[in-house]
Formats: sequence, C-alpha cells, structure tokens
Amino acid sequence: GAGVSQSPSNKVTEKGKDVELRCDPISGHTALYWYRQSLGQGLEFLIYFQGNSAPDKSGLPSDRFSAERTGGSVSTLTIQRTQQEDSAVYLCASSLPSWVQETQYFGPGTRLLVL
Amino acid sequence: GQQLNQSPQSMFIQEGEDVSMNCTSSSIFNTWLWYKQDPGEGPVLLIALYKAGELTSNGRLTAQFGITRKDSFLNISASIPSDVGIYFCAGQRMDNFNKFYFGSGTKLNVKP
Repeated sequence: GAGVSQSPSNKVTEKGKDVELRCDPISGHTALYWYRQSLGQGLEFLIYFQGNSAPDKSGLPSDRFSAERTGGSVSTLTIQRTQQEDSAVYLCASSLPSWVQETQYFGPGTRLLVL
Repeated sequence: GQQLNQSPQSMFIQEGEDVSMNCTSSSIFNTWLWYKQDPGEGPVLLIALYKAGELTSNGRLTAQFGITRKDSFLNISASIPSDVGIYFCAGQRMDNFNKFYFGSGTKLNVKP
C-alpha cells in the first residue's frame, strides 16, 4: 500500500531491555514525525525529521530515547533500558516538506508493553 | 505540551443527532486538520483546512477554519454508530511550520 507503515505492530518486552521501532513513510514525504500516545490520551510529540536531520528533538522524554533516519526514508525510534512508563502506542506520521502548509498522514502505530 | 484546547472531552449522543466539537488556541494557526482515531488504529485524516474562513465538507462532516485563525470546528450530521471514536484537531502555527500541535481529543459515543 501507499500509506505509512510501522513495525512491529505490537511489542512486549521486559523492563531494562532495548527496543527498536520502525517507520516507513509515504514515498516522497521528506518530513517524518514520531508521537507517543498513552492509553486514552492525546498525542505527545517526540521528534521531527526533515530529510535525515532532526531539527526538533524537543519532545524526547529522556536520553534513553533516540531516533535516526537514513536515506531520507525509513526511521527507527530506539528506547534503551525500557521502563514500565514507556508502555504506550508509538505513532509515526509523514508529510511533504513542512515549510509549506501540509497534512500529516499516520501509520497504524506500534503498541509497546514493558513488563 | 498541548497548545490546543479541544472540547468537549466526550459526548454521548443518540444515533441521528448532529454533533459539534471545536478547538481553540491563543496562537494563530496556518493549518487546521481534523482526524478520527478508531480503537487500536492510527489517526485518519478527515478534513484539512488551509485558509481563514474556509468551510469544507466531507460527506456528513463539515469543518471550518475560524476567521481569527485561532479556532476551528467540526460538525457531524445525522450521526451513525460507526462515527464512534476519538476525534482530534491539529494544526500548524503561523510561526512554526515544523511542528503539528494536537488537541486532547473528543471521545464520541453514539447510541443506536
């Protein structure tokens, strides 16, 4: 399909383990966003990429969180030494360059459960 | 943190009723977006608005970009059970295209 895809769709891990979440944006979309959504809550901005660079990392909650993007396409969000409070749905969205008015399209999310 | 005030937080309505929800901000926005999120899914774009005063429809949904650029509303007419879900507003601020700000969501329940 032509939409944003994310993998895995679900991830259960033990406290203290590292996890990697992947996002494949819509082809041609140079802007990519990561959000976190706790149960029943709104969307919490984590990080934004324009191409391979991340001009806005202001939402990353701690230094255990990092993200990278290669080739202007796929992005990986890594959480090191996971904690139970990291349990949430992690959503990825992409759009055309965000210096113009644009619309974000979301992937289905990765549901992370830290035991 | 949240830059948009979305209301109401939740609604319980009867099938066939019309619904209205809105978002307001103290900042000027250049873009307003409305999304619907079903349980276990990512948000799906319903309507995008780019001009102050713009009124756009998508089937039974109608949304408007407020003339002050600080608010937007979404109306759903003749609600049906599949309208159940959480509706989010979002927007780009005039002074920062890099970030999309989201409302906290309106949870809609429709009773058949």
